[in-house]
Amino acid sequence: NAGVTQTPKFQVLKTGQSMTLQCAQDMNHNSMYWYRQDPGMGLRLIYYSASEGTTDKGEVPNGYNVSRLNKREFSLRLESAAPSQTSVYFCASSVAGTIYEQYFGPGTRLTVT
Amino acid sequence: GENVEQHPSTLSVQEGDSAVIKCTYSDSASNYFPWYKQELGKGPQLIIDIRSNVGEKKDQRIAVTLNKTAKHFSLHITETQPEDSAVYFCAARRGLLTGGGNKLTFGTGTQLKVEL
Repeated sequence: NAGVTQTPKFQVLKTGQSMTLQCAQDMNHNSMYWYRQDPGMGLRLIYYSASEGTTDKGEVPNGYNVSRLNKREFSLRLESAAPSQTSVYFCASSVAGTIYEQYFGPGTRLTVT
Repeated sequence: GENVEQHPSTLSVQEGDSAVIKCTYSDSASNYFPWYKQELGKGPQLIIDIRSNVGEKKDQRIAVTLNKTAKHFSLHITETQPEDSAVYFCAARRGLLTGGGNKLTFGTGTQLKVEL
């Protein structure tokens, strides 16, 4: 049982390049989330998917798109990377309903030059 | 939307002392308050949580207290050990019936250092 896995672990992009961050969970969770973590700002929600087939914007969605490919996988895409998107990205998942705990992946450190 | 403030941003204690981290929230509809611990290079991990119908919850050396009237909640770690050194985040969540989904709003984090 690997929990939540993320690929890649590290990535360096040039301004304007695109890339997709991958996330998968093997806990049969319904809900999945993407956060970014910046120094002094905590974790901020980018997008989330309450269940397979649905996605909704979080606090900071501009410049990102997401795809809930199936129940296990939730990807985050940067279409045209900007230096302001340099951050550590975390994917998380949770059971739907009244069980609230979110389980986090190990993160992807992204640098945009 | 919800706003969560967390203090202090850094905290240094001697091994064996207690540590207290405080958070305030703005949305009176919030009803779930988790605390996460993040070790260097890893994702956050839930260590304790409390729901709005409870004033205090304890799990061995850690406890969380909630004051709904004042809209603040605190994490207490007793008998601190070097392995408690990490970044701690508080968070708040609105209830499902008030349209919160399962979205958490996080505080900005507290770097706890336990010195020998």
